[in-house]
Amino acid sequence: QQPVQSPQAVILREGEDAVINCSSSKALYSVHWYRQKHGEAPVFLMILLKGGEQKGHEKISASFNEKKQQSSLYLTASQLSYSGTYFCGTASFGNEKLTFGTGTRLTIIP
Amino acid sequence: NAGVTQTPKFRVLKTGQSMTLLCAQDMNHEYMYWYRQDPGMGLRLIHYSVGEGTTAKGEVPDGYNVSRLKKQNFLLGLESAAPSQTSVYFCASSYLQTKASGGETQYFGPGTRLLVL
Repeated sequence: QQPVQSPQAVILREGEDAVINCSSSKALYSVHWYRQKHGEAPVFLMILLKGGEQKGHEKISASFNEKKQQSSLYLTASQLSYSGTYFCGTASFGNEKLTFGTGTRLTIIP
Repeated sequence: NAGVTQTPKFRVLKTGQSMTLLCAQDMNHEYMYWYRQDPGMGLRLIHYSVGEGTTAKGEVPDGYNVSRLKKQNFLLGLESAAPSQTSVYFCASSYLQTKASGGETQYFGPGTRLLVL
């Protein structure tokens, strides 16, 4: 079952902040975040591990609530280059392969 | 390094025709994956491989076959294409995944756009 992402789409002005959420019904041991620009391949942003360890991007942060099986991606002071579709991928116990959400389309306007 | 490459970039097929999509990686990754991406559906795993000579089914394997004869290559075959297989296909690869690492970063190829008429 795919994780659920919210919102499905958001439009921001340059400099504003955004939060993208990812929720799963399964017990997770990691959450991955990827960004895909139109017509391009998804690109890795970060991994969040059970236990709180986080690896990834300098200007983008995220949290992982293990009890609620939820993760949130925080984009602060958004730049035009942040535009794209953001996907979370979840790895659960018993299914270590990533299951991707349906994506959140982020549009940054000047 | 080229990373992950996919051939072809775009293809049009008629219903019932067959074709093979080629994925190649030069990062010495153990794991390789084939996904399809459809509007509003995100990325869905078709088949994957945990090493040379091994393959396994993902979420949506019906109508597809795969082979991993060499570590660096992962082939996706459509034996009899159907319009429902119109999609963008992405190949990805990663190092060996362990629970302790939480899974490794997947590196994606540029995609193959397939249109089945």
